[in-house]
Amino acid sequence: DVKVTQSSRYLVKRTGEKVFLECVQDMDHENMFWYRQDPGLGLRLIYFSYDVKMKEKGDIPEGYSVSREKKERFSLILESASTNQTSMYLCASSPSWGGDTDTQYFGPGTRLTVL
Amino acid sequence: KNEVEQSPQNLTAQEGEFITINCSYSVGISALHWLQQHPGGGIVSLFMLSSGKKKHGRLIATINIQEKHSSLHITASHPRDSAVYICAVLSLRSYNTDKLIFGTGTRLQVFP
Repeated sequence: DVKVTQSSRYLVKRTGEKVFLECVQDMDHENMFWYRQDPGLGLRLIYFSYDVKMKEKGDIPEGYSVSREKKERFSLILESASTNQTSMYLCASSPSWGGDTDTQYFGPGTRLTVL
Repeated sequence: KNEVEQSPQNLTAQEGEFITINCSYSVGISALHWLQQHPGGGIVSLFMLSSGKKKHGRLIATINIQEKHSSLHITASHPRDSAVYICAVLSLRSYNTDKLIFGTGTRLQVFP
């Protein structure tokens, strides 16, 4: 079974803090994604990565950065958290090769509250 | 206007009812996904379709490429089917990127 784990289920931070959200997958997938999910807006792509050291901006990258130093780990960084970054953050991974290249496997999500 | 629209946004049903959730999209696609999200956040993939119909247990997904429309059906619904169902498409513009475009989801509640 593919397993995608996220470092925290719930996180509370203060405005201006630097926040790290970690995602780890154990299936040697090349592609990894960070989304945020807000009521009425659905999932929106923040950043994605095709491989180690590679990153691409998604639809809403402002206020975020990412790091992919190892294939299994994709980190989302909020350099200076703001209240409008309060959201559910979901990580996903998918393979570049094989029969299920179009299927993304999701982590359990991190509900971040910025006070 | 969103490129992926789902209807209804909210749906309540009695146990045993037949349920249909609709998804319409406005872009050319290479695949369409139906996802399920239970309270607590975890998302699981139910189906991936590029044509025709797929069935898994009590769930049936259909897609009409010409009409740019897909439906998810649940037969003999059960309270454990209560979840948010999300439609997502892989647009042809996103070749080689695996970028999905998501609908806003349909919240289903099935009462005993």
